[in-house]
Amino acid sequence: DGGITQSPKYLFRKEGQNVTLSCEQNLNHDAMYWYRQDPGQGLRLIYYSQIVNDFQKGDIAEGYSVSREKKESFPLTVTSAQKNPTAFYLCASSIGGWSYGYTFGSGTRLTVV
Amino acid sequence: DQQVKQNSPSLSVQEGRISILNCDYTNSMFDYFLWYKKYPAEGPTFLISISSIKDKNEDGRFTVFLNKSAKHLSLHIVPSQPGDSAVYFCAASYLGFDGATNKLIFGTGTLLAVQP
Repeated sequence: DGGITQSPKYLFRKEGQNVTLSCEQNLNHDAMYWYRQDPGQGLRLIYYSQIVNDFQKGDIAEGYSVSREKKESFPLTVTSAQKNPTAFYLCASSIGGWSYGYTFGSGTRLTVV
Repeated sequence: DQQVKQNSPSLSVQEGRISILNCDYTNSMFDYFLWYKKYPAEGPTFLISISSIKDKNEDGRFTVFLNKSAKHLSLHIVPSQPGDSAVYFCAASYLGFDGATNKLIFGTGTLLAVQP
């Protein structure tokens, strides 16, 4: 079955540490995205990548970094510069560009302790 | 600046009745609208969409209505079932200035609870 896998489902991080969230898809989608969900704020775009080795900042990129070395993978690093990292993180992919057919992963809940 | 707004954070309806979820937007450049459904600790799943050239789209129990003059869309679920209980996000898309890039903007979500 094709799909998009995020791991881990739950992640705890100490303040001051960087942490990397994994996102892998086997849908052969060109575009991948990272969103953050906070209560009452909807889904906010962090970073997106339309092709391999290329990515752009979304609306709230500060304190985050990404890489896109392979079509299937789009890991997100939450750095110590991110002031409020505790949130639910969602990865998505689509066939190309900003196609309307987004497929989402099941998310990673990050908690800073 | 919230371009897509869902002013009702929650909604409770009885099983078998109609659920109406509302969404307002401010950007007249939006040309495509979508509804996503999300269960706790899961990713959103696509539910139904509508192009700005239409005013209604129906898929089984789900119907989306678009009123462009009022910049308002709504999702109707008839009849509502307990399994419909979830958070519903509306989203809007527009073609960017480069002529090739659409951007998807999500609302804040409405938690629907369908009571048996």
